[in-house]
This record gives sequence, structure tokens and C-alpha cells, in this order.
Amino acid sequence: QQQVKQSPQSLIVQKGGISIINCAYENTAFDYFPWYQQFPGKGPALLIAIRPDVSEKKEGRFTISFNKSAKQFSLHIMDSQPGDSATYFCAARPAISSGSARQLTFGSGTQLTVLP
Amino acid sequence: NAGVTQTPKFQVLKTGQSMTLQCAQDMNHNSMYWYRQDPGMGLRLIYYSASEGTTDKGEVPNGYNVSRLNKREFSLRLESAAPSQTSVYFCASSRNPGGGNTEAFFGQGTRLTVV
Repeated sequence: QQQVKQSPQSLIVQKGGISIINCAYENTAFDYFPWYQQFPGKGPALLIAIRPDVSEKKEGRFTISFNKSAKQFSLHIMDSQPGDSATYFCAARPAISSGSARQLTFGSGTQLTVLP
Repeated sequence: NAGVTQTPKFQVLKTGQSMTLQCAQDMNHNSMYWYRQDPGMGLRLIYYSASEGTTDKGEVPNGYNVSRLNKREFSLRLESAAPSQTSVYFCASSRNPGGGNTEAFFGQGTRLTVV
């Protein structure tokens, strides 16, 4: 059962453009939504994260938009650069109050290519 | 500061062979995890250890065993490798799974091929 669905699977964007990656979740007990960035041959690294008490979080060119009622969240990369080319994973984790094991569930990943 | 170190980086096994993937972290983290990464399937949790002395199954535990040797080290064992276990394996650690700082730090991965 895939609890976090991510799209698109791959994305090609011109330099300077906006990259948008979407995720949808099913478990209403999730309370922490991070995005991880992975370069080839490396392990994933935390990029930015949001909790459901806010609808948007911005760090530099990276923004998470969160829609609690729709159970969706997205990553926006403004002014995309070739150095942003990587695989991006969304993830989600249940709240303590849910009683569930508090492990991250990852989406299937999006391979972003930013053309120079 | 090395972070999370995995060994080996690459391995080729024959079907039926066994091997242990090693993982060590130097961040004094309580929790450690083993994931496998397959194309189009993201990262799937194999086993995790919320704290020293405890281990629990994740989403895809069949065919694997783990040992939390001490706070620093968490190993993953394949007793009888199968081609379906061909994957990239990542070890990760976090301060704790439920506290305020829950960032997971990943190692660089072990690329395993079973022929």
C-alpha cells in the first residue's frame, strides 16, 4: 500500500524555470512532511520540511505548499538551475498521538533535469 | 565528521550466498534504519532500530535480518541472497523518531547485485 503518491516520475525544466513536484497522502495521522534531495551516487539529504500547522514554507528558492484538506503537498523550485538536477523524494511521518510507528514513508521519487 | 558510513559500496553476490552490510554513525543518534531503493519505488524501509537494543520490521523485511550491535552500529544480513534483492541499500540514522529534531541522515549506499 503506497501511502504517499508522488508525481511526476520525471521532469525536465529549462534553466530559470519553475519546477513543481506533487505528493498526495492518505493517512490523516501524518504530521511531518519532508522533502529529500538525492544526487547520483549519494544518499538522500533533507532539503526542506513542513508541519501541517502552516500552509507554506520557503527556504531560498525552495518552497513547500501544503493543503491539509486535500491531503496534498508540493515542492516548488524557483529559478531552477542545472545544479538542482537530482532525484527528489517527498515523505511523511505519523504523529506521536497516532500510536503508529513513527517512521518516514517515502514517495516514489521524481528525477529532475534542469537544462542549461 | 563522517556522519553515516556504509561498507561495502559495491558487492556482487551469487544466488544463495550470504553477506552482511555494515553501517556506523558517529552522531550519537538513537535511531537507525535500513532502506532499499529500487527504480520507481522510492525508498522502502526494511528494518529499523528505534534505540539501542531494539529492532523492528519495516515494510519489506523478508529475506533480511538485522543486528543493532551498539549505539553506533547497525548491520543488515542477507542469509541467502536472491536476484530480487538486487538493489541499492541505504542506512540512515536520526536523533530519535519522535522528538523535535527528526532529520534522517543517510549513508552513501551499497549497490548490491545478485546474479
